[in-house]
Amino acid sequence: QVQLRQSGPGLVKPSQTLSLTCAISGDSVSSKSAAWSWIRQSPSRGLEWLGRTYYRSKWFNDYAVSVKSRISINPDTSKNQFSLHLNSVTPEDTAVYYCARDSGAWGQGTLVTVSS
Amino acid sequence: QSVLTQPPSASGTPGQRVTMSCSGSSSTIGRNTVNWHQQLPGTAPKLLIYDNNQRPSGVPDRFSGSKSGTSASLAISGLQSEDEADYYCAAWDDSLSGWVFGGGTKLTVL
Repeated sequence: QVQLRQSGPGLVKPSQTLSLTCAISGDSVSSKSAAWSWIRQSPSRGLEWLGRTYYRSKWFNDYAVSVKSRISINPDTSKNQFSLHLNSVTPEDTAVYYCARDSGAWGQGTLVTVSS
Repeated sequence: QSVLTQPPSASGTPGQRVTMSCSGSSSTIGRNTVNWHQQLPGTAPKLLIYDNNQRPSGVPDRFSGSKSGTSASLAISGLQSEDEADYYCAAWDDSLSGWVFGGGTKLTVL
């Protein structure tokens, strides 16, 4: 049974970088049949997919157009986890952030507030 | 404005069968499979249906999904009070090269 456990700060200052980590148990970040996504949810934007990383003999990333210039999603095979980095944040980036296995389990969610 | 369109609300009484729809386009549902996610109040979403009509282990067979053309549906039979939740459809969008979601349907069990 796949379980995802998120960690990271709940408060980020404007213009700084939002960083979250998602630890995987019951599966491998390097699995050739899985993809690992970050999704956020806010009252104004609903569920918004941000991007994903996956391994198919080499690593690939897909990113949403809305955040493409500011986002990086990186796997860490040594710790079986993946991370989200979103830079130059503004209050509009305030949301609950989730990691998820595509067509699979979700993390518990992290409320990230962007405020000085 | 979500890429996939869902009615904002649905309701039913215990024991009833309810359905909810999800409308997309040729680049989303028309070419790709549909997932459904259930979000109980105050919790993270949970995968309910994948690949149009497949249930993950542990999901009761009261939940079923279907797809036709550029639309999909989720049906819940034998409605129970614990089914009161928000339901979201999702599909890959070939034009955007990313996952897209519906705005969600809030199910109320009367």
